[in-house]
Amino acid sequence: NAGVTQTPKFRILKIGQSMTLQCAQDMNHNYMYWYRQDPGMGLKLIYYSVGAGITDKGEVPNGYNVSRSTTEDFPLRLELAAPSQTSVYFCASSYGLIQETQYFGPGTRLLVL
Amino acid sequence: QKEVEQNSGPLSVPEGAIASLNCTYSDRGSQSFFWYRQYSGKSPELIMSIYSNGDKEDGRFTAQLNKASQYVSLLIRDSQPSDSATYLCAVRGRGSARQLTFGSGTQLTVLP
Repeated sequence: NAGVTQTPKFRILKIGQSMTLQCAQDMNHNYMYWYRQDPGMGLKLIYYSVGAGITDKGEVPNGYNVSRSTTEDFPLRLELAAPSQTSVYFCASSYGLIQETQYFGPGTRLLVL
Repeated sequence: QKEVEQNSGPLSVPEGAIASLNCTYSDRGSQSFFWYRQYSGKSPELIMSIYSNGDKEDGRFTAQLNKASQYVSLLIRDSQPSDSATYLCAVRGRGSARQLTFGSGTQLTVLP
């Protein structure tokens, strides 16, 4: 199993540009999450999904959108990039059990100039 | 407001010493507690999970949970330079999203 994969690894965007961060998992997990991590900080939840077709906002959703058309994929869309969105983005997934951890992808480093 | 607080670092210990990392949380209904290790430029990796009051040991790592005090800690015995990383405390509440709330992390450096 590849686990959780993310593309791209690194991207530079100009202010106002748009892009989609890709996330895929092959573990048949129902729950998927998008986090951002700013330097020296913990992870903050952007959006999450508890199954295909079901998404909801996390702690810091402004400026982002998501969709979940399949169990495997959970892309994150940035519509109008701003310097405040410079961060490292992690996708994670799990079965959704109380005592289960989340499995993280390798991350996407985004720089908005 | 759900919060997870970790003792501010950075923390430096000599090789072979015990490193102690602490975490407090505000949501009394929290059910699961995790410690992640994160090397610079890498994604978090799980090293310990704990769900019941008391101690849980796994090799050189011991997690301690005290729900009454809303406190969870991680002890690393016989610290090695390879343990140098940022340690993130994560707490899962009662929400149906099964989401984790993370602390800001403690940077640990083990000096040879």
